[in-house]
Amino acid sequence: AQSVTQPDIHITVSEGASLELRCNYSYGATPYLFWYVQSPGQGLQLLLKYFSGDTLVQGIKGFEAEFKRSQSSFNLRKPSVHWSDAAEYFCAVGRAGNFNKFYFGSGTKLNVKP
Amino acid sequence: EAQVTQNPRYLITVTGKKLTVTCSQNMNHEYMSWYRQDPGLGLRQIYYSMNVEVTDKGDVPEGYKVSRKEKRNFPLILESPSPNQTSLYFCASSPNRGQGTYEQYFGPGTRLTVT
Repeated sequence: AQSVTQPDIHITVSEGASLELRCNYSYGATPYLFWYVQSPGQGLQLLLKYFSGDTLVQGIKGFEAEFKRSQSSFNLRKPSVHWSDAAEYFCAVGRAGNFNKFYFGSGTKLNVKP
Repeated sequence: EAQVTQNPRYLITVTGKKLTVTCSQNMNHEYMSWYRQDPGLGLRQIYYSMNVEVTDKGDVPEGYKVSRKEKRNFPLILESPSPNQTSLYFCASSPNRGQGTYEQYFGPGTRLTVT
C-alpha cells in the first residue's frame, strides 16, 4: 500500500534560520512527488513538484526539494525562513502511469519565531 | 481569474439531512477530485473524476456520492450525513494527465459540521 510519512508534526524555527521538512514515501512504482503549503484558512498551493530528471527541484517562495530514491525521501528545504512561511506543509505522492490517485502526508506545521 | 470555487464555505447540519457541496472550476480541466482533511491525517481522497460521466472511488468513499454531468462542476453529495463526516473538504482540479501536467488546483475548502 502506498503511504507518505511526514515524521515531524510541528517544527519551530527562528526567522532567518534554515529549514528542512522531511517526507518519506512508500511506493512500488516511480513516484511523482509534490510539496504543498496551506496557510491558515486557505486552500493548498503547490510549492514544487518532481516528475523526473534533476533530483534537486526549485519551487516558489525560495523553496527547494531533493528526491533521493535510495532513501525514498523528498525533503523540502529553505535556506532562510521568513515569518510569512509559517503555515502547514504537505508532501504528496502520485503514481506515474496512474494519474488519478494521490496520497498526502499528515502535514508539518511550521512556526516561525521572530 | 482561474480558480476553483466551493459552496458553501461553512455548513452546520444535523445527522441524516442530505446536503450537497458544490465545486466549480473555470479552467476547462478534465480531472477533478474531492478530499477531506482531518487533524493528524492530512488529506484523503474521497472520489475523483477523469472527465464528464467518469468517476471513481478514492480511499475514503463511504457515505459520499459524486456526479460529473458537466466538465466544470463536480458536486459532493452526502445523502445521510453522520458526525464522523465532520471535516474540512477540498475540491481540486487538474488538466488532462496525458499532457504531462499533474498539478492540482485546490478550492478554498468547505468546513462541514454534522451534529
